Amino acid sequence: SQQGEEDPQALSIQEGENATMNCSYKTSINNLQWYRQNSGRGLVHLILIRSNEREKHSGRLRVTLDTSKKSSSLLITASRAADTASYFCATEKSSGDKLTFGTGTRLAVRP
Amino acid sequence: DGGITQSPKYLFRKEGQNVTLSCEQNLNHDAMYWYRQDPGQGLRLIYYSQIVNDFQKGDIAEGYSVSREKKESFPLTVTSAQKNPTAFYLCASSTGGYNEQFFGPGTRLTVL
Repeated sequence: SQQGEEDPQALSIQEGENATMNCSYKTSINNLQWYRQNSGRGLVHLILIRSNEREKHSGRLRVTLDTSKKSSSLLITASRAADTASYFCATEKSSGDKLTFGTGTRLAVRP
Repeated sequence: DGGITQSPKYLFRKEGQNVTLSCEQNLNHDAMYWYRQDPGQGLRLIYYSQIVNDFQKGDIAEGYSVSREKKESFPLTVTSAQKNPTAFYLCASSTGGYNEQFFGPGTRLTVL
């Protein structure tokens, strides 16, 4: 079964707006990762946040992790049409363990 | 130019045939993975290998087989025992440890 569940399933915004997507998971984790997938392509790693971290930034990306609520959020600021893609969270339960992916959020950024 | 490659990009198979999907990496990664993705879904793990000559079943291994004879290569065979093989197949590799994974471009398999 899927460990992570993203919310919303789909999101449509105007270029320049911020996009927020959430991920909830069921069991304790070692780290949580976010990936992007353009249509029909492989996944690209965006950011990794460890269980002892609460917030992490990378360019226009901001990820938060709340282990007490078993949830994470990905914020993309000042969105661009090129950000149109599906975004997946993936959790690693223990170090060296396999990743378990969520079902993804489809983001559409309108020019 | 380092990376992970998959071939072919598109593959068509008749029912009852086995097919092998190729995955090669020159990143010197120890770990390699095969995932299946169905439309609108996340990734499900088929098999993974953390070291040469060793591999483990993932969540949906039935009807699939793999080998890991070389560090660079992790081919996946979709056998006739796989009841619904039409899907998008993704290969990935990592150094292990914290497990950031690098993905290939995928192979889309269609059973006719």
